[in-house]
Amino acid sequence: QQPVQSPQAVILREGEDAVINCSSSKALYSVHWYRQKHGEAPVFLMILLKGGEQKGHEKISASFNEKKQQSSLYLTASQLSYSGTYFCGIEHSGTYKYIFGTGTRLKVLA
Amino acid sequence: DGGITQSPKYLFRKEGQNVTLSCEQNLNHDAMYWYRQDPGQGLRLIYYSQIVNDFQKGDIAEGYSVSREKKESFPLTVTSAQKNPTAFYLCASSSGQGLNTEAFFGQGTRLTVV
Repeated sequence: QQPVQSPQAVILREGEDAVINCSSSKALYSVHWYRQKHGEAPVFLMILLKGGEQKGHEKISASFNEKKQQSSLYLTASQLSYSGTYFCGIEHSGTYKYIFGTGTRLKVLA
Repeated sequence: DGGITQSPKYLFRKEGQNVTLSCEQNLNHDAMYWYRQDPGQGLRLIYYSQIVNDFQKGDIAEGYSVSREKKESFPLTVTSAQKNPTAFYLCASSSGQGLNTEAFFGQGTRLTVV
């Protein structure tokens, strides 16, 4: 089953913060986060491998709670360039099957 | 430069015709993937391949077929059995080390049935 992301869409003003959540119904081995601009290929942001792991990339960070089968992406002090659709990508434990979440459309306004 | 190349960028097909989308990578990756994206939707997995001469169905494989005769190539055929083939198709590859590494994407092929 496709991981469920929330919210489906969010609109921010520059400098505001946002959190995007990704939930899976199955046990997770890893979680990736990607950003896709309209009509373009998704671009890799970060990967999380361990339960409870947190990572950061500029002002974008993420957490991975393996027990809850959830990951969250945190965008702080958002910039216009953060606009796009964010996807979590997950691999279920013990497989190479790699699927993406339902997506979250984020728009940052000046 | 290393990367993934998808061709063509835009493709038009008449109803009832099969069409093949090309995906080539020179990253020496073992794993390759095909995804379908509909407007405002997420990426849905069609087929994936962990190694040459082996591939598995994803979540929406009906109406599609693939082959993996070479490590570099993973073409996708959209058959006439696919009832609603108009979509944006993305190919990706990964080193396949339990997916501890990122997936690299091609620029996509936009297929329109006319």
